[in-house]
Amino acid sequence: LAKTTQPISMDSYEGQEVNITCSHNNIATNDYITWYQQFPSQGPRFIIQGYKTKVTNEVASLFIPADRKSSTLSLPRVSLSDTAVYYCLVGDYEKDTGGFKTIFGAGTRLFVKA
Amino acid sequence: EPEVTQTPSHQVTQMGQEVILRCVPISNHLYFYWYRQILGQKVEFLVSFYNNEISEKSEIFDDQFSVERPDGSNFTLKIRSTKLEDSAMYFCASSPYGTTSSTDTQYFGPGTRLTVL
Repeated sequence: LAKTTQPISMDSYEGQEVNITCSHNNIATNDYITWYQQFPSQGPRFIIQGYKTKVTNEVASLFIPADRKSSTLSLPRVSLSDTAVYYCLVGDYEKDTGGFKTIFGAGTRLFVKA
Repeated sequence: EPEVTQTPSHQVTQMGQEVILRCVPISNHLYFYWYRQILGQKVEFLVSFYNNEISEKSEIFDDQFSVERPDGSNFTLKIRSTKLEDSAMYFCASSPYGTTSSTDTQYFGPGTRLTVL
C-alpha cells in the first residue's frame, strides 16, 4: 500500500497562503492524489484531486512534481474557518483481492490564527 | 446538493448490546463505505460495499460487524455485541463509480457518535 507522510501540524495567520506538502514515495503509476479536509466532529470533505503538474479549483491548488513522489496542497489567503485537519491520500488498490481500501494517514492539523 | 445522511447522530448503548447505524447514501452512487474515528485519532477504513456484497474490509471489521443494504436507499452497519473500544464516530460514505477507479471521490456523511458504556 502506498504510504503518505505529512507534517503533523501547521500554524498560520488569516490572509496568508498555506502550503502543505505530502510525501508518497511509493505511489503507483495509475494512482491519483486526493486531498480531504475534516472539521471537528464532521466527516472528511473532498478538496482537490490530481495526477500530475498543477490542478486548481475554487478552493485550492495542487502541485505535483514530475516524479509524483510528493504533492503540495496550497490554500490561498486562509481564514479562521480553514482551521481543520487535511489528509493526503493516494490510491490503495488491493490487487490480490480486487478490492480497494482507503487509507487515511494522521493528516496535518492546520490552525489559523487571527 | 445531494448529501449522505446518517442516523442517529448519537447512540448510547450498554456493552454487549447490538447497535445498528443507518446511512442513506447519495441516490445514484454505486459504492458505499463505513469508516470509524476514535476520538483524537485518524479515520480508519472498515468496509466497502458494491453490488450487494462486501468489496473489501479491514482487520477491524471482524465477525462482530456486518453491513447490509436492506432496500434501495439505506445502508446499515451492525455491531452485534458492542465493546467499550467500539466507542467512536462512525462515518458512512458513498462514491459514484467505485474505488476501483482511483479518481473516484467519496462523499462522507456527518457521522454517528457511538458511546458504549
